[in-house]
Amino acid sequence: EAGVAQSPRYKIIEKRQSVAFWCNPISGHATLYWYQQILGQGPKLLIQFQNNGVVDDSQLPKDRFSAERLKGVDSTLKIQPAKLEDSAVYLCASSLGRAGLISYEQYFGPGTRLTVT
Amino acid sequence: DQQVKQNSPSLSVQEGRISILNCDYTNSMFDYFLWYKKYPAEGPTFLISISSIKDKNEDGRFTVFLNKSAKHLSLHIVPSQPGDSAVYFCAATPAVAGKSTFGDGTTLTVKP
Repeated sequence: EAGVAQSPRYKIIEKRQSVAFWCNPISGHATLYWYQQILGQGPKLLIQFQNNGVVDDSQLPKDRFSAERLKGVDSTLKIQPAKLEDSAVYLCASSLGRAGLISYEQYFGPGTRLTVT
Repeated sequence: DQQVKQNSPSLSVQEGRISILNCDYTNSMFDYFLWYKKYPAEGPTFLISISSIKDKNEDGRFTVFLNKSAKHLSLHIVPSQPGDSAVYFCAATPAVAGKSTFGDGTTLTVKP
């Protein structure tokens, strides 16, 4: 079974530029998460999708961050414009969870390391 | 306000001995607890979990203990192996599913 795929693995941009990250979850996983992990801290949830609907985006800085999950499969996370404090690893995760079935375990991709200069 | 805390940033243990990693939480709505393991340049991988209706769950060398009254859980690794050297994250989830809150991790080093 293929794992969660993310690209790119690394990205360096200047502040005020824009960047996009892509995630392909495990086949059949209804729930998809985007996390931001700053060095020395645990992952912090940015947004959670169930199929193509947003379940929780309370921690997403909506003035600069946006995310979509077209057709309930792949997802993209965009930052525009980037700030220095956005330097972090962006992790995508998926889980089976769907209506009537709770699944707590999440499967993570390798992450995208973003450096904003 | 950090709802899940791992107060020890690092832990060093000799191979073959027991490793004990600790985690404290503040939100009584948390109902399910998980431990993830992370190697450098990789995403976290699920290790073991426990529901709030239990106080212990065991899987091979890994055992998680939950003390609900103290809002404390711990992960025991016996015996510890050099390949266990990684960052371990504690995560807590409410019964309503999905959204996990993570601690900041503990870096475990197992010395040969």
